[in-house]
Amino acid sequence: DAKTTQPNSMESNEEEPVHLPCNHSTISGTDYIHWYRQLPSQGPEYVIHGLTSNVNNRMASLAIAEDRKSSTLILHRATLRDAAVYYCILRDDMRFGAGTRLTVKP
Amino acid sequence: NAGVTQTPKFQVLKTGQSMTLQCAQDMNHEYMSWYRQDPGMGLRLIHYSVGAGITDQGEVPNGYNVSRSTTEDFPLRLLSAAPSQTSVYFCASSYFTGGVSGYTFGSGTRLTVV
Repeated sequence: DAKTTQPNSMESNEEEPVHLPCNHSTISGTDYIHWYRQLPSQGPEYVIHGLTSNVNNRMASLAIAEDRKSSTLILHRATLRDAAVYYCILRDDMRFGAGTRLTVKP
Repeated sequence: NAGVTQTPKFQVLKTGQSMTLQCAQDMNHEYMSWYRQDPGMGLRLIHYSVGAGITDQGEVPNGYNVSRSTTEDFPLRLLSAAPSQTSVYFCASSYFTGGVSGYTFGSGTRLTVV
């Protein structure tokens, strides 16, 4: 089984922020946290990654807990195109769980 | 720069037939892997490779073989197809840089075994 756990589903309203949580309590000190998303009928695409510090890019922000046992992907303003399954993985583990299915309501 | 290319996009096999799913990348990535995704499920790792000539098993390797003779190509072979292998197969690649590099995925091969 994957070393990460995520809620099965979440809902958001369009143009509101979304916080997608991920637990990885057995993470090692050198393991990177990666987030991917999968749009319907497509392969997963890379979103963001981090090690210890919070990270920002054009798609999202990643907030990492100080003990690194959890992280949160932040979409600052959800759009209908952000509706997808979001996966949190530990890079060295290479295993994906079921992810979080995000529904964005207009 | 085409990224990760998977062929074919769709395939129907009869039980017991064999076939090879092709995966090629033009980014000089050392690491390549194969995943399968069953309906409504997450991805499960089948096999992976950290460089030419090196392969290893993932979570669900039974019924599949791989080889890595070049950096660019990582084919997945189904030896004797079974209905349980009906799935969408994704190939992924990345630089092998200790976690800094993200994976690039192909668009998938949808396989049906009847």
